[in-house]
Amino acid sequence: QSALTQPPSASGSPGQSVTISCTGTSSDVGGYNYVSWYQQHPGKAPKLMIHEVSKRPSGVPDRFSGSKSGNTASLTVSGLQAEDEADYYCSSYAGSYKVFGTGTKVTVL
Amino acid sequence: EVQLVESGGGLVQPGGSLRLSCAASGFTFSSYDMNWVRQAPGKGLECISYISYSGSTIYYADSVKGRFTISRDNAKNSLYLQMNSLRAEDTAVYYCARGQTSVDPWGQGTLVTVSS
Repeated sequence: QSALTQPPSASGSPGQSVTISCTGTSSDVGGYNYVSWYQQHPGKAPKLMIHEVSKRPSGVPDRFSGSKSGNTASLTVSGLQAEDEADYYCSSYAGSYKVFGTGTKVTVL
Repeated sequence: EVQLVESGGGLVQPGGSLRLSCAASGFTFSSYDMNWVRQAPGKGLECISYISYSGSTIYYADSVKGRFTISRDNAKNSLYLQMNSLRAEDTAVYYCARGQTSVDPWGQGTLVTVSS
């Protein structure tokens, strides 16, 4: 039940792209195509942005994309906008439970 | 509109108990797995408990195993979390959230503070 590893912070200027990594093990990220990503603004509940590695729920801009290779998943935010500044968490299904990442604060410079 | 509304949070002394509730609306509650996810102040997310749509499968994180009990009442569209032997480290916002392989939507959260 160890948390997935994410970089504490990431940043980019408006219009640029930022990529966040999420590293787990073969028991979670590497073992299932059930990685999801959540955006959380201060004082708000998390919001699902990506599920099943790369699928975007209805209403999520296509600037958000996800991928996975081995035990590491990634979230890319293209064309950064001011409203993208938030905390981002990855999560992986792990058979009988879900494990979350340590979280990454994205700053729009 | 799919909605989850938590209630029952508050201030409790160490060793005390609290019962959280989550009222679901806008979807067929009995068809969905549910979760309790917590977030300590300034910290990350932790899925502490999961219950399948029928209640037949339940999971607890090691941090709460033996102290917390998840349950659901499909007739009342409600999810519960009974929290006993509370500790200072249980202080957090507790979210009710729907889903098995991913979590969506989330409730607004209810704050539990464990302090003397």
